[in-house]
Amino acid sequence: GENVEQHPSTLSVQEGDSAVIKCTYSDSASNYFPWYKQELGKGPQLIIDIRSNVGEKKDQRIAVTLNKTAKHFSLHITETQPEDSAVYFCAASNNAGNMLTFGGGTRLMVKP
Amino acid sequence: SAVISQKPSRDICQRGTSLTIQCQVDSQVTMMFWYRQQPGQSLTLIATANQGSEATYESGFVIDKFPISRPNLTFSTLTVSNMSPEDSSIYLCSVEKGTDTQYFGPGTRLTVL
Repeated sequence: GENVEQHPSTLSVQEGDSAVIKCTYSDSASNYFPWYKQELGKGPQLIIDIRSNVGEKKDQRIAVTLNKTAKHFSLHITETQPEDSAVYFCAASNNAGNMLTFGGGTRLMVKP
Repeated sequence: SAVISQKPSRDICQRGTSLTIQCQVDSQVTMMFWYRQQPGQSLTLIATANQGSEATYESGFVIDKFPISRPNLTFSTLTVSNMSPEDSSIYLCSVEKGTDTQYFGPGTRLTVL
């Protein structure tokens, strides 16, 4: 089955700096890669996703890149703000049974 | 997207008892999912709840421990049976809207004493 690894497990940045979180996946059939943000006491919130026919997608300060050959994808957050502090999860799906496999999570702390 | 509610939002239960968690979505969906998130950990899929058929369980999860109902296209329940402290977790439901895209509820925070 699919295995998703996520790095780093914790990330501390200064407000205004950029943050990058990386994930690798094992199943070459995976074709959908969402990112979720989970704030304390809340459920995961979908913030951006990318499909395998696209190499990059951007939404304001957030971007995701995908390298199918290397089987890795990354989340980029620019101009970080304290409200970006949360746990971020990557996931992968191969559209077979609609199952998402999640990475281990990254705790992002943005220091004011 | 989807608006999803869960009840209860949190509970403290005694070992050996059972708790039923409800998940309600604001529109009809085919696929609903139940996840467990142990303290400080990632999300693990428990089962897929299919309307009109038995739920499909992932490896390590069994129907006797986690019975699921899916009576219609907007509602599902997950029961955590014969609870032990190891069942203390956040239980999350999600729904699929569009192709592969899943939206999550706020979660139910369960503590078993």
